[in-house]
Amino acid sequence: ETVMTQSPATLSVSPGERATISCRASQSVDGNLAWYQQKPGQAPRLLIYGASTRATGIPARFSGSGSGTEFTLTISSLQSEDFAVYYCQQYSNWPYSFGQGTKLEIK
Amino acid sequence: EVQLVQSGAEVKKPGESLKISCKGSGYSFTNYWIAWVRQMPGKGLEWMGMIYVGDSDTRYSPSFQGQVTISADKSISTAYLQWSSLKASDTAIYYCARQNDFRLDYWGQGIHVTVSS
Repeated sequence: ETVMTQSPATLSVSPGERATISCRASQSVDGNLAWYQQKPGQAPRLLIYGASTRATGIPARFSGSGSGTEFTLTISSLQSEDFAVYYCQQYSNWPYSFGQGTKLEIK
Repeated sequence: EVQLVQSGAEVKKPGESLKISCKGSGYSFTNYWIAWVRQMPGKGLEWMGMIYVGDSDTRYSPSFQGQVTISADKSISTAYLQWSSLKASDTAIYYCARQNDFRLDYWGQGIHVTVSS
């Protein structure tokens, strides 16, 4: 089973600054990685797939990079609506799996 | 507009059975996989399994194999997740989501399931 490990668990950043979240896979997932955003009381929302392709309607300040076992989600200039929990998810190896989540909070 | 609408919140006792639903609209329901994802209270997301509606091909994550049953009725564009005997540890929010080239691009609103004596 492929274990996805995100870091940090919690990230405190001021609005307007850059946020970077890392995701590491226990084995290669090639480029088969997605990122999701979840706000309290809401369903997750797809941000990035294929490691770096933004989903429909996702602002350009969100970007993803990486391949193999190391991936990064970057939010270039944080807006108030970006403070949420972020999950990576691999869909290369069955069973598909999520990271444990990173809470992005206002500093 | 693509939509997945899930059935309402459930409160059950341990040992009871339950079947929750996820109705799709706005797209060809039979041409996609539907995934089920669990979120226990205050915790992260867990992939439970998925079903290809067109031919009912079903895959289960090992952690959920034998614990739940995933099914679908393509005639009414609805997928299901069911339990034969609930446990308190099944208390969680359950999401269905459309799987599009493996990514989960549309999600239902989630169903709160509470199992308590």
